[in-house]
Amino acid sequence: SQQGEEDPQALSIQEGENATMNCSYKTSINNLQWYRQNSGRGLVHLILIRSNEREKHSGRLRVTLDTSKKSSSLLITASRAADTASYFCATDAATDKLIFGTGTRLQVFP
Amino acid sequence: GAVVSQHPSRVICKSGTSVKIECRSLDFQATTMFWYRQFPKQSLMLMATSNEGSKATYEQGVEKDKFLINHASLTLSTLTVTSAHPEDSSFYICSATDASTGETQYFGPGTRLLVL
Repeated sequence: SQQGEEDPQALSIQEGENATMNCSYKTSINNLQWYRQNSGRGLVHLILIRSNEREKHSGRLRVTLDTSKKSSSLLITASRAADTASYFCATDAATDKLIFGTGTRLQVFP
Repeated sequence: GAVVSQHPSRVICKSGTSVKIECRSLDFQATTMFWYRQFPKQSLMLMATSNEGSKATYEQGVEKDKFLINHASLTLSTLTVTSAHPEDSSFYICSATDASTGETQYFGPGTRLLVL
């Protein structure tokens, strides 16, 4: 399977703490994207990082990409209860098709 | 921002019937739409890529006669689950790529299908 792996599978933290999720993938990529999914809902696009970029920020989100290790991380700073969701990385290998990682279920307790 | 809608949001049907799910890009043109399937607490698995005006491209292991896809216009793609069985029960999500920007896929809210 070409599916990427994410770890941890599940993460529970208190409000105000930082949450870090990691994603590893298998093939060369054009870009890597992070999505968020609330339970039973569709996906919300969070951030896209291109293969020639190493770090990107968007509000409380920070994404890093290490193409030599085929890995990426998503950091959510000062987490809130509303950040509770599943987070997926997805890679685009120049075919327009996205290959999704296994996902991390984040629970933020108030 | 780009909005993708799906209809219906939930559907319950009897085994053997066919179910049609619509995916619409509301404020942009989508030359390409994608259909995914998601089982509970699992990731999204791509089923097929739908291109406007041409036949869909199915992923390995997805039966094209079972999951009929029609991309009739730049804003509408439909997925029909034919002769549905209980094992087809799942969450079906579509996405669309904005033809003018190309990179980001915008996802619909999903359709939960339950086959009894």
